[in-house]
Amino acid sequence: ETGVTQSPTHLIKTRGQQVTLRCSSQSGHNTVSWYQQALGQGPQFIFQYYREEENGRGNFPPRFSGLQFPNYSSELNVNALELDDSALYLCASSPSWEGKNTEAFFGQGTRLTVV
Amino acid sequence: GDSVTQMEGPVTLSEEAFLTINCTYTATGYPSLFWYVQYPGEGLQLLLKATKADDKGSNKGFEATYRKETTSFHLEKGSVQVSDSAVYFCATRQGAQKLVFGQGTRLTINP
Repeated sequence: ETGVTQSPTHLIKTRGQQVTLRCSSQSGHNTVSWYQQALGQGPQFIFQYYREEENGRGNFPPRFSGLQFPNYSSELNVNALELDDSALYLCASSPSWEGKNTEAFFGQGTRLTVV
Repeated sequence: GDSVTQMEGPVTLSEEAFLTINCTYTATGYPSLFWYVQYPGEGLQLLLKATKADDKGSNKGFEATYRKETTSFHLEKGSVQVSDSAVYFCATRQGAQKLVFGQGTRLTINP
């Protein structure tokens, strides 16, 4: 059983550019969430997708957007990059049927640096 | 909204010492509670969880008890090892929605 995989592992972008991060969810998981972890901080929820629909969003501006595909893999897109977008971006997948008890399985993250 | 407050780090201990990392939460309902661990250069791994009041989660010698009366979920281990050095995150979850994390506590164990 493969776990959650994210690509790329590291990325450097210039302010104002756009970036796409990718996530393959664990087999059998239909829910994917994205989190932003700034240096020295806890992860902050960006949004969640369930069966290709966004079903929850944190306090992030619209330039953060996402997609989930029929195979439940997902993309995070960030437009008009700002320096403060530099962070570790974590993807987590989970089976949705256990509700609040559901374990989320995290990928290793993508380290984005905006210069 | 829900929030989690963790004991500030960094925490430095000697091998075989007793560990406590404090965690308190605020929530409107009855969340599930989690401890995640992050090793250098890696994502988060679930360490343990508890889903209702007075439940005790345990794994790899770590324990935490869901205390509804004090809204706490403190992490403990009786004898730490160098390999336990990592960042530990306390988190809550309501429904099938987001995890809310604390700021993390960096733990270093010296031989």
